[in-house]
Order: sequence, then structure tokens, then C-alpha cells
Amino acid sequence: QVTLKESGPVLVKPTETLTLTCTVSGFSLRNPRVGVTWIRQPPGKALEWLAHIFSNDEKSYNTSLKSRLTISKDTSKSQVVLTMTNMDPVDTATYYCARLPAPEDPFDIWGQGTMVTVSS
Amino acid sequence: SYVLTQPPSVSVAPGQTARITCGGNNIGSYSVHWYQQKPGQAPVLVVYDDSDRPSGIPERFSGSNSGNTATVTISTVEAGDEADYYCHVWDSSSDHQGVFGGGTKLTVL
Repeated sequence: QVTLKESGPVLVKPTETLTLTCTVSGFSLRNPRVGVTWIRQPPGKALEWLAHIFSNDEKSYNTSLKSRLTISKDTSKSQVVLTMTNMDPVDTATYYCARLPAPEDPFDIWGQGTMVTVSS
Repeated sequence: SYVLTQPPSVSVAPGQTARITCGGNNIGSYSVHWYQQKPGQAPVLVVYDDSDRPSGIPERFSGSNSGNTATVTISTVEAGDEADYYCHVWDSSSDHQGVFGGGTKLTVL
């Protein structure tokens, strides 16, 4: 059974750096062409794609957030990590990770999401 | 960057057919994926590659895509179909970034 689970802080202060971890099971980050993506959703608002990383370490970032985002993976731990610098209250959202079976594929399996609030 | 436009809301009576659209410039040349999101839950893929259904998704869900409009159609709507629906494409013109529509709230009257 394929699962993804997000973990990270519930609350961060403005200007701090957010670090989120997605731990996957049921598939390997070594699988050819497989990827993991991060998506967020502010309360009551639409989904927003943030970044993805593939097994060959190819990465892509949302242009509007690129300067603040870094995505990486630890294959041995089955984890994908997203960092977002200089957090602001507008970054308050539920952050999801999801599996990409291959480039240009849909997000077929999603994690449950983790809510992050940015407040002093 | 590529923009996808969805109506904020669609309402339909039980047993009727709901059609939710996703507009984009020449969207017919893209593969469109659709997700259903119920309150407090993560999105679930219901249609991919314009018109294919993942295993476990009822045949009542179908999709089409042509010209500047993609559509997900839900036939014989049930109360349990009430949710937000999002379309999604990959924008190959900008480093293969993911793009979502603004979402449509389906209300079952």
C-alpha cells in the first residue's frame, strides 16, 4: 500500500524557515521516473503547486516562490524534504505531499496534509 | 504562466448530471487531470489524462477536453459527490510547473 505522510512544525514565526518532511512507504524513491511533489492550500482557498523532485534528482519549483524553496530527498530514509525561507502569515496553509508516478503524470496518491500557521 | 479558470460553484439536484468546466488557452493540447476534495480531506484523483478513471472511481465520472475547455462530468449525482473539484495541467512552457484551477464547489441540492 502506497502512503505518504507529512511532518513538521504546526506553528512558525514570521521570517523563520519552515522545514517539512514527507515520508513515503509502499514505493521507493529509487524507482525510475517516480517523483514526489509538494502542494499547499491556504484555508478556504485553492491548491497551489510548490515543487517536485524525481528519482534522478531533477527538480522544479513554482516560479513565484523559487527563491524561497528548496526540495531534496534522502532515498535511504524514503523522505523528501521541503524548506521554505522567510515565512509570512500569507504562507499559512495545509501542506500536502503527493506521489508522481512519472513526469507529467497526475498526483495519484496524496498525504493527509499538515497545517502550518505562521504567527508571532 | 498558464492560467486555468473554473466556475466558483455548480449546483445540481440528486440524480441529475453535473458538468464542471476548466478553461485555458488551447487546453485541448494539454492532458488535464481532475481531483475531488471533500471538507477536511486530501484531494483524490478522479479523472486523469482528460478522460481516464483511476481504479475505484465510479463510471459516473467522465472527462473530455477540446479547444479551450476541459470538462468533468458526473452523471446521476449523489449527495456524496458534493465537494470541491480542481483541474490540473503541467505547463511545459515554464519548466514543467504544475498549474491548478481555482476550484469549483459542487453543491448537491
